[in-house]
Amino acid sequence: AQSVTQLDSHVSVSEGTPVLLRCNYSSSYSPSLFWYVQHPNKGLQLLLKYTSAATLVKGINGFEAEFKKSETSFHLTKPSAHMSDAAEYFCVVSVSEYGNKLVFGAGTILRVKS
Amino acid sequence: DTAVSQTPKYLVTQMGNDKSIKCEQNLGHDTMYWYKQDSKKFLKIMFSYNNKELIINETVPNRFSPKSPDKAHLNLHINSLELGDSAVYFCASSQVEGKKAFFGQGTRLTVV
Repeated sequence: AQSVTQLDSHVSVSEGTPVLLRCNYSSSYSPSLFWYVQHPNKGLQLLLKYTSAATLVKGINGFEAEFKKSETSFHLTKPSAHMSDAAEYFCVVSVSEYGNKLVFGAGTILRVKS
Repeated sequence: DTAVSQTPKYLVTQMGNDKSIKCEQNLGHDTMYWYKQDSKKFLKIMFSYNNKELIINETVPNRFSPKSPDKAHLNLHINSLELGDSAVYFCASSQVEGKKAFFGQGTRLTVV
């Protein structure tokens, strides 16, 4: 069975400081992993994806994530937070065998203080 | 109880046909969405409905039309299906404040 655990429901950082959003997954197969962001009243926007290529994945808006198989983690980071980064972030795992099955984490709300 | 349910789970049809995918949510949410997952697993938003008003339409062909008979339902109608419409379509819902979105299990559409 596949599952995704986002370890923090809320993360609060000051503008200009690093961001770390944690995600652990479990999967019986080689997973594809994604991070999505959702701003209020907007749909999901893909930040980045991992599909068994480079383990360090760079996404949009300065975000990146590192796939660590030994730790079954796919944490999202950004060196310097911006006010516009305040949103909810979802870690998602897709199992290739099923193709149409996406498992979403519970989400992490990121707050950025000025 | 299923929070967001969509039917059918699998749909195979010929080019040129018209088909519908149904979606229902029992969460009392105000906003519902339709997403298309392409071959690279990207989720692309197609429509968003808030209190029966279309608030997002991301350059989707007009062959696709969402129908919302009430707040709990957002059905996707597709006319004159094309091969390129083959994909997995996800329905989702969230509260109007933009909190966590709950997703349906997906509908795999195959156009032959």
